[in-house]
Amino acid sequence: QKEVEQDPGPLSVPEGAIVSLNCTYSNSAFQYFMWYRQYSRKGPELLMYTYSSGNKEDGRFTAQVDKSSKYISLFIRDSQPSDSATYLCAMRVYDKVIFGPGTSLSVIP
Amino acid sequence: DGGITQSPKYLFRKEGQNVTLSCEQNLNHDAMYWYRQDPGQGLRLIYYSQIVNDFQKGDIAEGYSVSREKKESFPLTVTSAQKNPTAFYLCASSIGKSYGDTEAFFGQGTRLTVV
Repeated sequence: QKEVEQDPGPLSVPEGAIVSLNCTYSNSAFQYFMWYRQYSRKGPELLMYTYSSGNKEDGRFTAQVDKSSKYISLFIRDSQPSDSATYLCAMRVYDKVIFGPGTSLSVIP
Repeated sequence: DGGITQSPKYLFRKEGQNVTLSCEQNLNHDAMYWYRQDPGQGLRLIYYSQIVNDFQKGDIAEGYSVSREKKESFPLTVTSAQKNPTAFYLCASSIGKSYGDTEAFFGQGTRLTVV
């Protein structure tokens, strides 16, 4: 079993839709949880990070962590074509950051 | 501007050659990382370093080597022993565990192609 699992998609939604992206993990030692956005042929950029269970909101983005279920989510409200990218979840355990494989998202105008 | 600079952006290597990918950061971060990204496999950790003159193997270190002689620099050498080196390579840095390390920041990547 991989430490971090993520549905690779691709996921295609119409503009304005609410998008839900999810990851599950197996290692209860993970301390920090992050979401990155990666445009094609670019490096990932950090969207959000959190370390506690619950919700964290930043504009149109909400990160949700459920440590009891080992499940994290990223919600995107009012999705825009510029949100079309690959979204990577990531988790820190001690010295290392472990990434999920990424979900490819396309927002159709 | 603070950030991580990777060079070159594109690199072509002949079979049997060693090549070195550059990564420089001016964020004053202690920790630096190298990842390899292949389609459908996400990011896989090659090597990481928490402090100057020290580094550890990640999950796929075979065929790669690194050095950390300066805090700002963490070059990656892809050796001829790496059987399938064609990939997108990403360098990252983070503040370091001494400071309550959290997120990693990435460079723009180097795309290596074996010809």
